[in-house]
Amino acid sequence: AQSVTQLGSHVSVSEGALVLLRCNYSSSVPPYLFWYVQYPNQGLQLLLKYTTGATLVKGINGFEAEFKKSETSFHLTKPSAHMSDAAEYFCAVKGGTASKLTFGTGTRLQVTL
Amino acid sequence: DAGVIQSPRHEVTEMGQEVTLRCKPISGHDYLFWYRQTMMRGLELLIYFNNNVPIDDSGMPEDRFSAKMPNASFSTLKIQPSEPRDSAVYFCASSPGGFKETQYFGPGTRLLVL
Repeated sequence: AQSVTQLGSHVSVSEGALVLLRCNYSSSVPPYLFWYVQYPNQGLQLLLKYTTGATLVKGINGFEAEFKKSETSFHLTKPSAHMSDAAEYFCAVKGGTASKLTFGTGTRLQVTL
Repeated sequence: DAGVIQSPRHEVTEMGQEVTLRCKPISGHDYLFWYRQTMMRGLELLIYFNNNVPIDDSGMPEDRFSAKMPNASFSTLKIQPSEPRDSAVYFCASSPGGFKETQYFGPGTRLLVL
């Protein structure tokens, strides 16, 4: 079984500030981890993913995430927020050879001037 | 590639009517997924197919929901009869074979049942 917990349903940051969106997972097998972004009235778009190898993963739009097995975490960060980053962000986990993705409940990021 | 295509983008119907949502996956993708997104329940997987065969439909809420994939380039999700609680955004996603692969989402169909 696998699950994802996203801490904080809403996060607000100032433009130029650090973005940190938290994700913790549970998986009985080595996980594959994903972050997706959803802009208003659109589908989900992949930001980045971890499968194997380097634990620091870089994605689109300046985002990155670090897989920490000891903490069962996969937090998403961006050094400097931009207004265009305002969206909903979903963390997802896939366990081993499973085809199903399990999504977290999402975190809505607000960026203020 | 055009990406995953869904139609219609918006659907408004009355309770009791039949609703059919359509999806064209990305060419060459072996897996197709149907999701439902609501404020209350978030993003839920309803059913997924591999090579046109339904693999797991445990997320389908009840018998009023059915899904088919008659060929590799087309899938439908049908609700009959529809109820107001079915109002949601329905997403289709597709993915190449392989468990490390990314799922690519369509733009969704926003369904409102009055």
